[in-house]
Amino acid sequence: GAGVSQSPSNKVTEKGKDVELRCDPISGHTALYWYRQSLGQGLEFLIYFQGNSAPDKSGLPSDRFSAERTGGSVSTLTIQRTQQEDSAVYLCASSAQGGSNQPQHFGDGTRLSIL
Amino acid sequence: DQQVKQNSPSLSVQEGRISILNCDYTNSMFDYFLWYKKYPAEGPTFLISISSIKDKNEDGRFTVFLNKSAKHLSLHIVPSQPGDSAVYFCAASAPYNFNKFYFGSGTKLNVKP
Repeated sequence: GAGVSQSPSNKVTEKGKDVELRCDPISGHTALYWYRQSLGQGLEFLIYFQGNSAPDKSGLPSDRFSAERTGGSVSTLTIQRTQQEDSAVYLCASSAQGGSNQPQHFGDGTRLSIL
Repeated sequence: DQQVKQNSPSLSVQEGRISILNCDYTNSMFDYFLWYKKYPAEGPTFLISISSIKDKNEDGRFTVFLNKSAKHLSLHIVPSQPGDSAVYFCAASAPYNFNKFYFGSGTKLNVKP
């Protein structure tokens, strides 16, 4: 596809379960970002990948959160032992090179609900 | 800590009039600012940006103004159209970590026909 693709679009799970969210960036984009948007809040930076460099994980809220990017393309965000406060929309974005002057292209997000 | 703030959660404007969306920031190191537009159930889309070396950037109906001394930026939409109804986010980054963007909480714009 032409845009950033995220799956699933919606996920409902019980507290304590692990969840995996997937992001397919735009082909050729080397930079990939994960954000979280809780109800009534702005986008909260989680993690940033650029090419083969070590990711910037400074936004991950706890060690229950981790992310991988395989082959410089697809990324998965994993949340272990989910808590109710993890309920949010998780957005993925990619850009051609990374950097502030490279607009990010966002996917439509995964709406995660923890019961 | 919220380094980028959008204090108006919503704004209602008549079609054809000007829409002014405001954004304040606290970090004086921010040097690049962006506005994104978001429709329901979709991801944000990039709208317009401005570097701190400028105080104005214009793109068609959209103009962003930056007041560095006040740590304030605004997005003007003239004339407003019903299709502009969406949530608008401002975002900022600093040169010491230009890949990390700080977003405001958004302002929901409703343009009435």
